[in-house]
Amino acid sequence: EVQLVQSAAEMKKPGESLQISCQTSGYTFTRHWIGWVRQRPGEGLEWMGIIYPTNSDARYSRTFQGQVTISVDASINTAYLQWSSLKASDTAIYFCARQQSSPPDDFDYWGQGTLVTVSS
Amino acid sequence: DIQMTQSPSTLSAGVGDRVTITCRASQSIGSWLAWYQQKPGQAPNLLIYQASNLQSGVPSRFSGSGSGTEFTLTISSLQPDDFATYYCQQYQSYLYTFGGGTKVEI
Repeated sequence: EVQLVQSAAEMKKPGESLQISCQTSGYTFTRHWIGWVRQRPGEGLEWMGIIYPTNSDARYSRTFQGQVTISVDASINTAYLQWSSLKASDTAIYFCARQQSSPPDDFDYWGQGTLVTVSS
Repeated sequence: DIQMTQSPSTLSAGVGDRVTITCRASQSIGSWLAWYQQKPGQAPNLLIYQASNLQSGVPSRFSGSGSGTEFTLTISSLQPDDFATYYCQQYQSYLYTFGGGTKVEI
C-alpha cells in the first residue's frame, strides 16, 4: 500500500528556519516525482514545486522559487521542504504528493498534511 | 503561468441532483487536467486525470470531459459523501496551477 506520512505540526517564530518531511512507503521511491502543495487557512491549493528522487532534479513555481528548498534522502525514501527564514505569511498546511508518472502529471497519492504556524 | 478559473465558487445542491463544475484555462492545455475532491481536514483525493479518465476506486457517478481551454466535472447523482470542495489542476507544463475551488454544499 502506497503511503506518504508527513511530520507533525510545527509552531515557529518569524525568522526561524524549518524543515518538514514526507516519508514514503509501498512503492519504489526513485520512480516517482514528489511535489509539495500549500494551503493557507480557508484558501485553495497552490503548487510549490516537484523533485525527482533519482537525481534531486527540483523545479519550483515562480511564487516559491528562492523562498523554499525541496530535497530528498533516497536512502530513507523521504522528501523535505525547508525554509531558512519563516514569515507569518508562511502559516499554512503543507501537503506532499506523489506524481503518477513523469511530469507533467497529476498527483495520485497525498500525505496527510503538516500544519505550520508562524507567529511571534 | 497558465491561470485556471473555476465556476461556480459555491454550489448548493441536494442529494440525487446532477452537478456540473466548470474549469477554464487561460490557454490551451490539451487534456492535461485533473480533478480533486477535498473534504475538511483531509488531503485532496484524485478523481479524474487527463480530463476524462476515472482514477481507480472512484465511483462511476463522477465523470470529466473537455479539452483545450474548457473542462467540466459532472456528478451524475449527488450523494451525501460528495459534499466537499473540488479543484481542477492543469499540468500542460511542469508549472502546475490549481483552480480556485468549488464548494459543493447542501
